Amino acid sequence: NAGVTQTPKFRVLKTGQSMTLLCAQDMNHEYMYWYRQDPGMGLRLIHYSVGEGTTAKGEVPDGYNVSRLKKQNFLLGLESAAPSQTSVYFCASSTPIAYEQYFGPGTRLTVT
Amino acid sequence: AQTVTQSQPEMSVQEAETVTLSCTYDTSESDYYLFWYKQPPSRQMILVIRQEAYKQQNATENRFSVNFQKAAKSFSLKISDSQLGDAAMYFCAYFTYNQGGKLIFGQGTELSVKP
Repeated sequence: NAGVTQTPKFRVLKTGQSMTLLCAQDMNHEYMYWYRQDPGMGLRLIHYSVGEGTTAKGEVPDGYNVSRLKKQNFLLGLESAAPSQTSVYFCASSTPIAYEQYFGPGTRLTVT
Repeated sequence: AQTVTQSQPEMSVQEAETVTLSCTYDTSESDYYLFWYKQPPSRQMILVIRQEAYKQQNATENRFSVNFQKAAKSFSLKISDSQLGDAAMYFCAYFTYNQGGKLIFGQGTELSVKP
């Protein structure tokens, strides 16, 4: 039981490049989330999904897209990376009735 | 909108001593949960303790306890008998059932433990 995993763990992009972050969970959770963590600001919700095939915007969605084609996977895409997207990205999952979210190990992304 | 504020960017404590981290929040909801998460240098988010808003009794987990003051919207974390392994960033978080069960985080408090 791996819990929540994220791929990759580190990545460096140049401005304008694109990439996809993969989140996978093996707990059969319905809900999945993408957060970003910036110094002095805690974690902020980017997008979330309440089930396979559904996604919704969170607090800071601009510049990101997501997809939930399979229940266990939640992808976060950056179509044209910008330096302001330099951050640590966390994925989390939970059940619909549970308040506890399980977090992945994070991905450190640097955009130069 | 709900907000969470941690007014102490950094705190320091001597090993074996007690330290209290502060957190205040703003909400108009009556049903919610509050959490303290620990983030060591490994970056992993670790749930330390949780408090249900409808419970008057303060939550306790071993050396960690909270002082939950619902009317004052205050939720502080007390760490007793501090250990070197307690050194980390600590985040206070508010859970709302809106937006699919969203967690709202405070800015974090960096705790250092001196031997």
